[in-house]
Amino acid sequence: GAGVSQSPRYKVAKRGQDVALRCDPISGHVSLFWYQQALGQGPEFLTYFQNEAQLDKSGLPSDRFFAERPEGSVSTLKIQRTQQEDSAVYLCASTRRGEAGTDTQYFGPGTRLTVL
Amino acid sequence: GESVGLHLPTLSVQEGDNSIINCAYSNSASDYFIWYKQESGKGPQFIIDIRSNMDKRQGQRVTVLLNKTVKHLSLQIAATQPGDSAVYFCAENMGQAGTALIFGKGTTLSVSS
Repeated sequence: GAGVSQSPRYKVAKRGQDVALRCDPISGHVSLFWYQQALGQGPEFLTYFQNEAQLDKSGLPSDRFFAERPEGSVSTLKIQRTQQEDSAVYLCASTRRGEAGTDTQYFGPGTRLTVL
Repeated sequence: GESVGLHLPTLSVQEGDNSIINCAYSNSASDYFIWYKQESGKGPQFIIDIRSNMDKRQGQRVTVLLNKTVKHLSLQIAATQPGDSAVYFCAENMGQAGTALIFGKGTTLSVSS
């Protein structure tokens, strides 16, 4: 079956450019997460959506980072005025449910962002 | 088989050996633990999970052990194969949907044939 998909898979940006990264979660999944993975490190949480509501954005590193999920399905992570320290793999994960309880997070392949 | 008592960033084993990957988690209130496998250029792939009310869970060729007293998690892979070569991460959260995963340090498993 279809898993989580992300596009583009690779993105090269010049410092100062804006970028938009897309995530298509598994169909029907309520919850959606964005993570940032630096080279050689584990993923780190950025933000969480339950349907279209952004319930937690505590992991966003600066106000240059913005995420949205306007219709409760596809999500976009936008980074304005990119900096070299933004270079990382950006991972999206989705889970079936939104209410309390353990639920497996399924990850997409990620977008590798390189800022020159 | 290869056994590691403490977390090490790399583990090299021969094909057919049993592998043990260790992880120390940080939050004593964590209720849910997961092991992910990440191959180069791919996202983390779910392997197995365990709730805090259990101390052992088995899957196909994999077993996860949880020791809450010392906040330690381990992943055992039986009859390791070259296709098991990857980076393995443990992750924890509070066990509620909508809570972020906190990932541990990864271990790179290399399997030689």
